[in-house]
Amino acid sequence: EVQLVESGGGLVQPGGSLRLSCEASGFTFRSYWMHWVRQRPGKGLMWVSRIYIDGAKTTHTTYADSVKGRFTISRDNARDTLYLQMNRLAVEDTAVYYCVRDGGSTETFLDNWGQGILVTVSS
Amino acid sequence: QSVLTQPPSVSAAPGQKVTISCSGGSSNIGGNSVSWYQQLPGTAPKLLIYDNDQRPSEIPDRFSGSKSGTSATLGITGLQTGDEADYYCGTWESSLSAVVFGGGTKLTVL
Repeated sequence: EVQLVESGGGLVQPGGSLRLSCEASGFTFRSYWMHWVRQRPGKGLMWVSRIYIDGAKTTHTTYADSVKGRFTISRDNARDTLYLQMNRLAVEDTAVYYCVRDGGSTETFLDNWGQGILVTVSS
Repeated sequence: QSVLTQPPSVSAAPGQKVTISCSGGSSNIGGNSVSWYQQLPGTAPKLLIYDNDQRPSEIPDRFSGSKSGTSATLGITGLQTGDEADYYCGTWESSLSAVVFGGGTKLTVL
């Protein structure tokens, strides 16, 4: 059974930093693109970032414009763990953050979601 | 403002059928596959449809998907009160190299 368990959320002041982690199990983690998706309170889904490390050990990452330069996605395939380093946090970054597996090979679809972790940015 | 456009809400009676539309453009739906997600209240989203019309094995055949040009549609037949949820379409946006979602549609089963 695929499991994705996020941790590291909480309350942080504007301008602060936080690192989210996502421990994966039940599948061959290194073989999949992994994503972060967030959802502000009462709002819709917003994609944040994705990452993959290919056979040549090249890391491929993509970011939403709203987090580019502030957030950094990374992964440790030896530990089956996905990370999201969030710097210069703003009130608008308050959201539930989901760790998500990409089930596609040539097309993207998000087939397994973690339970989500709440990040609150407030003074 | 979402890249993909969905109606904010739809409703129908138990046992009836409902469709939810998702409209985009040539750089997203027009050139990439569409997926649909169901989010029950207070829970994480769940994949319903992928590659426009494919269902994961655990999803009942009451749920179906289709795509034509730059639009996609989710269909749900035999509506049940347990289907009350928010539904989102998603796809790859080639011009942004990003995943994009619709704004979500709230389904009410009257």
